[in-house]
Amino acid sequence: EDQVTQSPEALRLQEGESSSLNCSYTVSGLRGLFWYRQDPGKGPEFLFTLYSAGEEKEKERLKATLTKKESFLHITAPKPEDSATYLCAVQAYPDSWGKLQFGAGTQVVVTP
Amino acid sequence: NAGVTQTPKFQVLKTGQSMTLQCAQDMNHEYMSWYRQDPGMGLRLIHYSVGAGITDQGEVPNGYNVSRSTTEDFPLRLLSAAPSQTSVYFCASSYPNSPLHFGNGTRLTVT
Repeated sequence: EDQVTQSPEALRLQEGESSSLNCSYTVSGLRGLFWYRQDPGKGPEFLFTLYSAGEEKEKERLKATLTKKESFLHITAPKPEDSATYLCAVQAYPDSWGKLQFGAGTQVVVTP
Repeated sequence: NAGVTQTPKFQVLKTGQSMTLQCAQDMNHEYMSWYRQDPGMGLRLIHYSVGAGITDQGEVPNGYNVSRSTTEDFPLRLLSAAPSQTSVYFCASSYPNSPLHFGNGTRLTVT
C-alpha cells in the first residue's frame, strides 16, 4: 500500500534559521512527488514537482530534493512569510493522473 | 482569472440532511477531483473525473456522489449527512501531467 509520511509534524524557527522538512514515501512506482504550501483557511498552493531520484528544484528560499525513498524541502534563511503548512504528495503508477496520496503535513512557524 | 471556485465557504447541516458542494473551474482543465482534509490526516481523495461524463471513486467515496456533465463543473453531493463527514472539502483541477490547482475549500459541520 502506498504511504507518505512527513516529519516533523511541527517546526518552529527563528528568522534566518535554516532547516529541512522530510517526506518519506513507499510506492510501487513513483510517477511524481509534489510539494504544496497551505496557508490557514486556504487551499494548497503548488510549489514543486520532482520526478526522479537526484532531481532538485529551487524557488526563492525553498529547495526540494528527491531520493528513491524520501524528499526534503530545505528552507534557507526563512522569513516570517514562510510560515505555513507544507504538504508532500506522491502519484504512483498505474494510477490515473491526479490521484495523489498526501502526507499529513509539516506546520512551520517562523518568528522574527 | 478565477481559477477553481468553491461554494459555499461554510455550511452547517443536521444529520440526515443532503446538500451539494459546488466546484467550478475556468481553466478548461480535463481533470477534476474532490478531497477532504481532517486534522492530523493528509488530504484524502473522495472522487475524481478525467473528463466530462467520466467519474471514478477515490479512497473514501462512501456517502458521496458526483457527476460531470460539463468540463467546468464538478459538484459533490452528500446524500444523507453524518457527523463523520464534518471536514474541510477541497476541489482541484489540472491538465494531464500538470500540477493540481486547488480551490479555497468548503468547511462543513454536521451536527
